[in-house]
Amino acid sequence: QVQLVQSGAEVKKPGASVKVSCKASGYTFTGYYIHWVRQAPGQGLEWMGRIIPNSGGTNYAQKFQGRVTMTRDTSITTAYMELGSLRSDDTAVYYCARDQGLAPHYWGQGTLVTVSS
Amino acid sequence: DIQMTQSPSSLSASVGDRVTITCQASQDINNYLNWYQQKPGKAPKLLIYDASNLETGVPSRFSGSGSGTDFTFTISSLQPEDIATYYCQQYDNLPLTFGGGTKVEIK
Repeated sequence: QVQLVQSGAEVKKPGASVKVSCKASGYTFTGYYIHWVRQAPGQGLEWMGRIIPNSGGTNYAQKFQGRVTMTRDTSITTAYMELGSLRSDDTAVYYCARDQGLAPHYWGQGTLVTVSS
Repeated sequence: DIQMTQSPSSLSASVGDRVTITCQASQDINNYLNWYQQKPGKAPKLLIYDASNLETGVPSRFSGSGSGTDFTFTISSLQPEDIATYYCQQYDNLPLTFGGGTKVEIK
């Protein structure tokens, strides 16, 4: 069965970077987009971007252009999302999700990133 | 970007009631619309895809309809385990965008 297992919670200072991993299993890793979606405390869902693992091609939401980098390591079927220049309003749960039919379908458990001085 | 306007933002209904949530897109999204359920502390779960198709394993009391810019999500008979926040999401164009969510509570 499709499984996405994310790395653990992080606490970062403003201005730092965070890198969240998403280990995929149960399907052909290179065949589907991985999306990244975040959710600030008590708020709705916000799409950050996606990566297609076979080529490494990415699409980012304009809001995050220049601050986010999505990568993958096909040898260990893992996708990564790195967000830099962190601010307090980047405090959120970050989800990876595997695509099906062009949209997030199977989701990881989420990774809480807290930005605090 | 395509704006998704979802309403109401919250509702309270009794067990067994019919519950309806609407989602309006700022332009035609060719029925590329998902509905997700999210329970507290959990990841979203896909319920409906392509506006009206029930995801495998999802109870038949959930349904979706609509086309173009106007969509509806219905729970035909609300159950206690349906307490959650529901989101619509379009995937016709990048960036993918979500509605603001509807929090469903039991009266």
